[in-house]
Amino acid sequence: DIQMTQSPSSLSASVGDRVTITCQASQDISNYLNWYQQKPGKAPKLLIYDASNLETGVPSRFSGSGSGTDFTFTISSLQPEDIATYYCQQYDNLPPTFGQGTKLEIK
Amino acid sequence: QVQLVESGGGLVKPGGSLRLSCAASGFTFSDYYMSWIRQAPGKGLEWVSYISSSGSTIYYADSVKGRFTISRDNAKNSLYLQMNSLRAEDTAVYYCARDLSSGCQFDYWGQGTLVTVSS
Repeated sequence: DIQMTQSPSSLSASVGDRVTITCQASQDISNYLNWYQQKPGKAPKLLIYDASNLETGVPSRFSGSGSGTDFTFTISSLQPEDIATYYCQQYDNLPPTFGQGTKLEIK
Repeated sequence: QVQLVESGGGLVKPGGSLRLSCAASGFTFSDYYMSWIRQAPGKGLEWVSYISSSGSTIYYADSVKGRFTISRDNAKNSLYLQMNSLRAEDTAVYYCARDLSSGCQFDYWGQGTLVTVSS
């Protein structure tokens, strides 16, 4: 199975800050990577697909980049409603696997 | 609008069985691959199983292979997960999810149903 390693595991930032989360795959997955947002008690929501494509309706402050084994997820200006846990997920190989999550909090 | 509504969760003893259902609406169910994904309390996400649009292709995570069975009824717009020989480590919220691309990209999720395996 492909292992996905996210960092950091938790992050505290202020409103308006630029926030960056990284995700590393244990082998080359090209651009077969998604990013999800999960708010407490809710189902995950797809934000970014194919590493850098913004899902319809998702605010443009969210972005993704990378290919191969190293990927980055960025919130350009943190808003209070962005408090959530974020997960990366690869779909290059079965089984699809998720990172362990990054819990984002407001400072 | 796309809606996925899971049901069938509950408390079950180790070794017991449970059948989860997912009712889909707002899209042409028979056009999409579907998956079950679970999340143990306070933990991350774990993909469990997927089924192709026609039901002819099915995959399982190693952790559930031989114990869980995924199926679908396109006439009823429904997805199912039959869970047998349940273990404590199967305790989780189970989500059904629509596959955006038939390649395990999950663009819509249900609200989840909690399965608790405990004596």
